[in-house]
Amino acid sequence: EAGVAQSPRYKIIEKRQSVAFWCNPISGHATLYWYQQILGQGPKLLIQFQNNGVVDDSQLPKDRFSAERLKGVDSTLKIQPAKLEDSAVYLCASSHLFLKTGTGGNYGYTFGSGTRLTVV
Amino acid sequence: KQEVTQIPAALSVPEGENLVLNCSFTDSAIYNLQWFRQDPGKGLTSLLLIQSSQREQTSGRLNASLDKSSGRSTLYIAASQPGDSATYLCAPTGATNKLIFGTGTLLAVQP
Repeated sequence: EAGVAQSPRYKIIEKRQSVAFWCNPISGHATLYWYQQILGQGPKLLIQFQNNGVVDDSQLPKDRFSAERLKGVDSTLKIQPAKLEDSAVYLCASSHLFLKTGTGGNYGYTFGSGTRLTVV
Repeated sequence: KQEVTQIPAALSVPEGENLVLNCSFTDSAIYNLQWFRQDPGKGLTSLLLIQSSQREQTSGRLNASLDKSSGRSTLYIAASQPGDSATYLCAPTGATNKLIFGTGTLLAVQP
């Protein structure tokens, strides 16, 4: 099966500019995630969608970050205005169904290659 | 709040050695735990997923164990090869399937 597609691969912008990232998940994966990975750290969840609804956006800096998943498929993540500390790799991932009971199903994640953002 | 610690932070071994990577987590109420591999400049590759009801999973030379009650998981790599060089990340998941990552173990296997 095709993997999780992300674009662009690299982006360099000046602080206070805006930037957008795009993600196309694996076909049939209902759940889509955006993670931020700062150099030397593990990825941190920014936002999680179930179909086109938001499950968790508790760590999304909502004053500057926004995300949407139209029609429950592709997603975009936007930063406006960017700060120096936003320099990171932005990873998109998708998975099969998520069940509140946590029983059954395959929760395995598939990650995209990421977008490396440098804010100067 | 779930916190994940991985030990050691970095490891360098000669080719052929068996090695163990350790992962500990503070909240034992997890649904499953995944081990990932990350190569420089690349995304994450899922290696093994252990459901909360399981004690271990095996894939080729990799074996991962899970002890929920003590908040620990280990990844065992047998007969290490230079191609195993990468950062290894563990990530338990809670009820929403959200992954909480540690900072990883950077593994270098010397030929």
